[in-house]
Amino acid sequence: SQKIEQNSEALNIQEGKTATLTCNYTNYSPAYLQWYRQDPGRGPVFLLLIRENEKEKRKERLKVTFDTTLKQSLFHITASQPADSATYLCAQAWANNLFFGTGTRLTVIP
Amino acid sequence: DVKVTQSSRYLVKRTGEKVFLECVQDMDHENMFWYRQDPGLGLRLIYFSYDVKMKEKGDIPEGYSVSREKKERFSLILESASTNQTSMYLCASSPTGGGHYGYTFGSGTRLTVV
Repeated sequence: SQKIEQNSEALNIQEGKTATLTCNYTNYSPAYLQWYRQDPGRGPVFLLLIRENEKEKRKERLKVTFDTTLKQSLFHITASQPADSATYLCAQAWANNLFFGTGTRLTVIP
Repeated sequence: DVKVTQSSRYLVKRTGEKVFLECVQDMDHENMFWYRQDPGLGLRLIYFSYDVKMKEKGDIPEGYSVSREKKERFSLILESASTNQTSMYLCASSPTGGGHYGYTFGSGTRLTVV
């Protein structure tokens, strides 16, 4: 069966640095990969979507890449700020639905 | 501001009770979803609906049912609540399926079954 894995449960980073989060999938390449932000006790908030035929997508300080050879998506936050501290989820589109990874909890230290 | 509204933020129910979780969206989306989220397991799909009166099972439908009588409303029903259904329940909607668009989530209902 298809699996999606975020291999870091937690990541601490100094304010101003670039945070890089990893998402790996097995077997078939999804047509779309999505990234969400989730704050404690709240629902996930959609951030970015990248298509299979796109290598890179940007939105303000956020950048997502999609490497179908490595079966991997990377999520970057440049010039990180304490307000970026949250859990970030990746999700793959599969069989007409979205399947989520377990998330990486990012802490940006002032 | 478009939104998905879940009727309760916190619920405490007794084992064996029938529980209704309500979700309403104001975006005229075709697709609606129910997930549960547990530590270490992430979000798991319970049921989804791609049209009024239509429903499809997700990964973990056992012990749950759903109802979609109107386009904007999708209800999750726990027929006989059990302690292993203690969890955070999240409703979401999207214009279409297939991951073409991001999902809009509600704030979640934290259900405790005692």
